[in-house]
Amino acid sequence: EAGVAQSPRYKIIEKRQSVAFWCNPISGHATLYWYQQILGQGPKLLIQFQNNGVVDDSQLPKDRFSAERLKGVDSTLKIQPAKLEDSAVYLCASSFPVTGSSDTQYFGPGTRLTVL
Amino acid sequence: GENVEQHPSTLSVQEGDSAVIKCTYSDSASNYFPWYKQELGKRPQLIIDIRSNVGEKKDQRIAVTLNKTAKHFSLHITETQPEDSAVYFCAASTRGSARQLTFGSGTQLTVLP
Repeated sequence: EAGVAQSPRYKIIEKRQSVAFWCNPISGHATLYWYQQILGQGPKLLIQFQNNGVVDDSQLPKDRFSAERLKGVDSTLKIQPAKLEDSAVYLCASSFPVTGSSDTQYFGPGTRLTVL
Repeated sequence: GENVEQHPSTLSVQEGDSAVIKCTYSDSASNYFPWYKQELGKRPQLIIDIRSNVGEKKDQRIAVTLNKTAKHFSLHITETQPEDSAVYFCAASTRGSARQLTFGSGTQLTVLP
């Protein structure tokens, strides 16, 4: 099966600019996650969707970050305005948690954001 | 919330030797513990996971052990090969409508030929 797709793979912007990332999960996966991975650290969850609804966005800096998954399939994550500390890899993951079956999270290749 | 600590941060072993990476978690309600391997510039990939109803799980050269009482779990890689070189992340999750993973800080494993 096709994996999680993300674009762009790389993005360089200046601080105070805006940027958007796109994710297309594995077909049929109801749950979609956005993670931020700062160099040398483990991924940190930003937001979790179940279909088109937000399950948890408690760690999303809502003053500058926003995310949507309008039709319950692909998703976009936006940063406006960007700060230097937003430089990181943004990973999208998806899973299909069903009772009694695997709920493994499958990751996309990530978008490496550099804020200058 | 959950906090996961991972040690060591770097580990170098000779090819053929064993490698052990340890993680501790804080939330006693956590019941799912996956391990991910991330090669440079690539996506994290699940290599093995364990649920709280078992103490050990093995898949070829990789094994994971879980001690619920002490709230720690470990990854064991035997007969290491150069292609095992990567960053390994442990994670912990509690049961819910959809799992949320809290990751450790990662271990850079280098297998020396």
